[in-house]
Amino acid sequence: DTAVSQTPKYLVTQMGNDKSIKCEQNLGHDTMYWYKQDSKKFLKIMFSYNNKELIINETVPNRFSPKSPDKAHLNLHINSLELGDSAVYFCASNPGTEGAGEQYFGPGTRLTVT
Amino acid sequence: GENVEQHPSTLSVQEGDSAVIKCTYSDSASNYFPWYKQELGKRPQLIIDIRSNVGEKKDQRIAVTLNKTAKHFSLHITETQPEDSAVYFCAGLAFQKLVFGTGTRLLVSP
Repeated sequence: DTAVSQTPKYLVTQMGNDKSIKCEQNLGHDTMYWYKQDSKKFLKIMFSYNNKELIINETVPNRFSPKSPDKAHLNLHINSLELGDSAVYFCASNPGTEGAGEQYFGPGTRLTVT
Repeated sequence: GENVEQHPSTLSVQEGDSAVIKCTYSDSASNYFPWYKQELGKRPQLIIDIRSNVGEKKDQRIAVTLNKTAKHFSLHITETQPEDSAVYFCAGLAFQKLVFGTGTRLLVSP
């Protein structure tokens, strides 16, 4: 009964490739997020969706495109991967619309670009 | 936008000692301040949070204090145990966006 799940857990790919990461939450939450955690452990928000609608879009290269087919799913597609995209990507969900309250993180996807 | 600074970046204590991690924020509109613990290779998990209308909150061995005037908040862990070893992140919420501090690696030695 995993609350927030992500696939894949590990992703190793070459520069220039396109890849996707999938996220699902079974908590009934309205808001979902993508965070990037780099090698120095800095945790930074990338996108936020509320009930399938994009509400936060940080300064992220447009090679990154999130998609939310329904409020339980938020996927991240990355085009033309670069070395600097190597990081751990966390999906998270939150019951509210304002962002307060616990953010439930997924297990993370470790992306390595070679 | 919001900027959250966190100190120290690393903290080593002996088991049983207290540990204090401090954060400052820049946006006076921030109204919610959570603390997350991330163990090695795991996901961040909420350990305690505080809202801007409260000055202090305690949950067993952990407590958080907030000084809105000075725009800083702190995490206090008493009677530390080896299982408290992890990276701790503070965060501030402004305009629906949670901005995290840079993390503090806490090492508790037996």
